[in-house]
Amino acid sequence: RKEVEQDPGPFNVPEGATVAFNCTYSNSASQSFFWYRQDCRKEPKLLMSVYSSGNEDGRFTAQLNRASQYISLLIRDSKLSDSATYLCAVPSTDSWGKLQFGAGTQVVVTP
Amino acid sequence: NAGVTQTPKFQVLKTGQSMTLQCAQDMNHNSMYWYRQDPGMGLRLIYYSASEGTTDKGEVPNGYNVSRLNKREFSLRLESAAPSQTSVYFCASRTGSNEKLFFGSGTQLSVL
Repeated sequence: RKEVEQDPGPFNVPEGATVAFNCTYSNSASQSFFWYRQDCRKEPKLLMSVYSSGNEDGRFTAQLNRASQYISLLIRDSKLSDSATYLCAVPSTDSWGKLQFGAGTQVVVTP
Repeated sequence: NAGVTQTPKFQVLKTGQSMTLQCAQDMNHNSMYWYRQDPGMGLRLIYYSASEGTTDKGEVPNGYNVSRLNKREFSLRLESAAPSQTSVYFCASRTGSNEKLFFGSGTQLSVL
């Protein structure tokens, strides 16, 4: 099993709709989780950090489910500009210094 | 506020050539990282440096070497480039474990 797994998508979302997707992880001892947004051929940029049960920032909500070992990202009122690949990152099981990334979930918001 | 600076942005090499990718951060971060990104593979860790003076292998270290020159700089060297090393390379840094990563803008490397 990979340390971090994501549904690659694409998730095709009408503008204004809500979309949610998950990221499953192996390291049950992780205390920190991150969602990054990556636009085509650009560097990943931090969207949200999650240190406890969840976090909310405007239209974006991240939820942590420790029992099932996944984090979710929900985007409300989707904008065309939300089209991107969303990467989750979790500390590795073999070293706290390593941050493991999922392969990303592609979201396409359509007019 | 430069953040994490990588050079070069683009590079084309012939098989067997060597080169060094440079990375510098001005945020006084302790930890620095090199990732590669291939289509459909996400970001894979090549090497990282948890603090100045230390380096450790990541998920895909073969064919690469690194040097943590000082707290600011962390370079990645390809001694004998291979077509399998064609990829986008990202350098990143952070204050420490449990903290978010800041990324450089990437280097697009093609090995022919």
